[in-house]
Order: sequence, then C-alpha cells, then structure tokens
Amino acid sequence: QQQVKQSPQSLIVQKGGISIINCAYENTAFDYFPWYQQFPGKGPALLIAIRPDVSEKKEGRFTISFNKSAKQFSLHIMDSQPGDSATYFCAASNNYGQNFVFGPGTRLSVLP
Amino acid sequence: EPEVTQTPSHQVTQMGQEVILRCVPISNHLYFYWYRQILGQKVEFLVSFYNNEISEKSEIFDDQFSVERPDGSNFTLKIRSTKLEDSAMYFCASSTTRFQETQYFGPGTRLLVL
Repeated sequence: QQQVKQSPQSLIVQKGGISIINCAYENTAFDYFPWYQQFPGKGPALLIAIRPDVSEKKEGRFTISFNKSAKQFSLHIMDSQPGDSATYFCAASNNYGQNFVFGPGTRLSVLP
Repeated sequence: EPEVTQTPSHQVTQMGQEVILRCVPISNHLYFYWYRQILGQKVEFLVSFYNNEISEKSEIFDDQFSVERPDGSNFTLKIRSTKLEDSAMYFCASSTTRFQETQYFGPGTRLLVL
C-alpha cells in the first residue's frame, strides 16, 4: 500500500524529443505528488509537484499529468535537452504522514 | 541562494564503529529530515524532526540510529554501531513548515562501512 511504482527504469531520448515517466500508487490517502531530479553526486531537487485536485500542472518544459481514478501520474519533459540527463524520482505523501514514499527512479539520458 | 550543507562528504568506517553525520539546514527552516539511498536504489525516508523531537520515523530507523539538534544550526544523525548494510548515501533535508512544503536536500554524505 505504501509503494510507489515507477517506469521505465531507464530511458534514452534524442535531443528535442519528449521524455515520459510514469508512476502508480495504491494508497488513496496520498495527496501530494512531487517529482525530484537528481544529478550524480547531488541530492534530489524538487522539480514540480501536483495535488489531486488538478489533472495537469505545467512548469516550463515539465508537465505532470495526474489521473486520480487510475491512481497514476506521469512526468512529461518536452523538448528534452542533454542537460536533462539525470535520475528522476516520483514520490507521494499524505497530509497526515510525515514521510515521502519514493519511486525507484528513472535514469534519463538525452542524446545530443 | 540558501542551501543545506552536509559534512563530511565521504566517510569510511569499520563495522561496529560509531559515526556522526552532520547537517546544517537552511536557517529559517523548522522541519528536518534524514533520508538514505543505497547505491543504485531509491531514496528512503529515515526520520523527521521538529521542535527538538522526532516527529516520525521509518522502520529503518531502529535503536542504532539517533538524531540531535545540538545547537541552533546543526542537525546530526548518529549510527551507534555501524553495519555493512549501513553503507549508503545519507541525505539531510529541511523545510519551512509542514512536511509537504518543499524540502531542500543537501548534497549527501557517502558512508562506506568496511
């Protein structure tokens, strides 16, 4: 119930392409879904986050799509750039808990 | 831009030894956290800390672990008797208020237990 599943494990995209990473959860109490970006040797950094009262949130080239009934959410990176190459983690938390449950991560490589 | 800092960046220790990992959270933040990431695996929550006490902890955070805010700036994680499986990257994070607010992560301490 506390798990967050994430796919794919790794993703290779050409520069300018669209990167799509999917996550799914079971716990219906989750109500906050952030995405973190992690470069090698660095800590995770919040990229974008969504709450289940909206179905989509866009910030620049990054968009979260949220499907509450399917308990799924995804990250879309438009016009992917080599500088986007990193590991991306989806996560989830609920209002009453005090910890994030992270997905296993997706290693994105954007080829020049 | 303010940032979370962690020391040391790398720590090598012998099994059974005690280690203390140090963090300096962002100065106006009130909530503090420790996470760990075993090499190549996902980030795992260890503990959250607010108002000088533990708010929540995971099953990973057993009696071998303790946290402390010894002064107004530092936040420490102590592992009393390290095990091989404690080898991981340990991240400190902080946030201004409630847990769901943006958490800022430090660069991590890579701990290797031999």
